[in-house]
Amino acid sequence: KNQVEQSPQSLIILEGKNCTLQCNYTVSPFSNLRWYKQDTGRGPVSLTIMTFSENTKSNGRYTATLDADTKQSSLHITASQLSDSASYICVVSARGANNLFFGTGTRLTVIP
Amino acid sequence: GAVVSQHPSRVICKSGTSVKIECRSLDFQATTMFWYRQFPKKSLMLMATSNEGSKATYEQGVEKDKFLINHASLTLSTLTVTSAHPEDSSFYICSARDQIAGAIAKNIQYFGAGTRLSVL
Repeated sequence: KNQVEQSPQSLIILEGKNCTLQCNYTVSPFSNLRWYKQDTGRGPVSLTIMTFSENTKSNGRYTATLDADTKQSSLHITASQLSDSASYICVVSARGANNLFFGTGTRLTVIP
Repeated sequence: GAVVSQHPSRVICKSGTSVKIECRSLDFQATTMFWYRQFPKKSLMLMATSNEGSKATYEQGVEKDKFLINHASLTLSTLTVTSAHPEDSSFYICSARDQIAGAIAKNIQYFGAGTRLSVL
């Protein structure tokens, strides 16, 4: 069964601190994995996309890693800002399939 | 980057009325668009796949007569919630897939900003 699991469900950190979000998946055959940021009441916005051959991808203060062997990905946020408060969703696409498989997200709250 | 516009962003309606939500790809053509529903603190749930010029494909458990989808052009898909009831209140999000080969290979979907539907 194709599944995407994220941890932790929620996280509270102080402004300026770093954090790492986890994503484990069982989607097969794997095509690509994306991390999205979703602000409350808004649609998801893509942060990174990685295919099978990519291990790391950065987008500003966001760095995603992918281990296709263990089927794990992480999203590292450095020097967090209050505006980073949002839900972060891991989305995995299967090769040849139309659908995307969504994780339940990690709700990040950055406090001053 | 590709932009998907969704309108309206918020709608409040009376029970029994119908509500139409529009999803437009502004700078690319999309033969396929997707409609999702999201409950509070939950992830997106795919409702249906909208195919330009043909019937939509609905996910199991989604009533096609309740949620009418029309994809008449390569840049516009609409979702009509018919005879809305309070239990239809939710956050609806559309996405569109760019037709270019690279995007298709990666199954890249671009999301709209969502529509908050409240049925009184």
